[in-house]
Amino acid sequence: DQQVKQNSPSLSVQEGRISILNCDYTNSMFDYFLWYKKYPAEGPTFLISISSIKDKNEDGRFTVFLNKSAKHLSLHIVPSQPGDSAVYFCAARVNTNAGKSTFGDGTTLTVKP
Amino acid sequence: DTGVSQNPRHKITKRGQNVTFRCDPISEHNRLYWYRQTLGQGPEFLTYFQNEAQLEKSRLLSDRFSAERPKGSFSTLEIQRTEQGDSAMYLCASSLAGWDTEAFFGQGTRLTVV
Repeated sequence: DQQVKQNSPSLSVQEGRISILNCDYTNSMFDYFLWYKKYPAEGPTFLISISSIKDKNEDGRFTVFLNKSAKHLSLHIVPSQPGDSAVYFCAARVNTNAGKSTFGDGTTLTVKP
Repeated sequence: DTGVSQNPRHKITKRGQNVTFRCDPISEHNRLYWYRQTLGQGPEFLTYFQNEAQLEKSRLLSDRFSAERPKGSFSTLEIQRTEQGDSAMYLCASSLAGWDTEAFFGQGTRLTVV
């Protein structure tokens, strides 16, 4: 039973356009959500997070939206740059469970020049 | 501080052998996690420590797996009697305690069991 799902294995966008990566979760106890980026041969790198008490968090070109009723979150990257090409993982956790995160299987983003 | 460090980066071992991996977390971080990642999947939680105490173990962690963090600093993950199904990337991460903190990952140890 996969509690965090990223249904799009890959996404290709043109440089300068918006990239939208989606994530769905099933466990209503999750109250903190994170996005990580991973380049080949490196470990995941934290990108942005959002608490369940918010519906939006923005950091530069990256914005995460949370729709609790739909159990859905999305990561918007605008404008997309070729250096954003990587695998993006959505992760969720129950904060009373001290930081253990459940990850989705990732979406490979390719930004074409 | 250069971040979370894992050694070795790659390990090839024969089935049935024991292997041990080391993780050095970011020095001020009191939480340390081990995850396993196989091709095409996201990281799967294995276990975590707060200081030297191992507070949770996943059901994925069979009795062939053991992890320690003896002085609340570095950690080791040992796999005994390795099987081909153990082949994966083993990721270590560390974080500060707190509800809104993020984990910082190392580059991982890629294990291949032949």
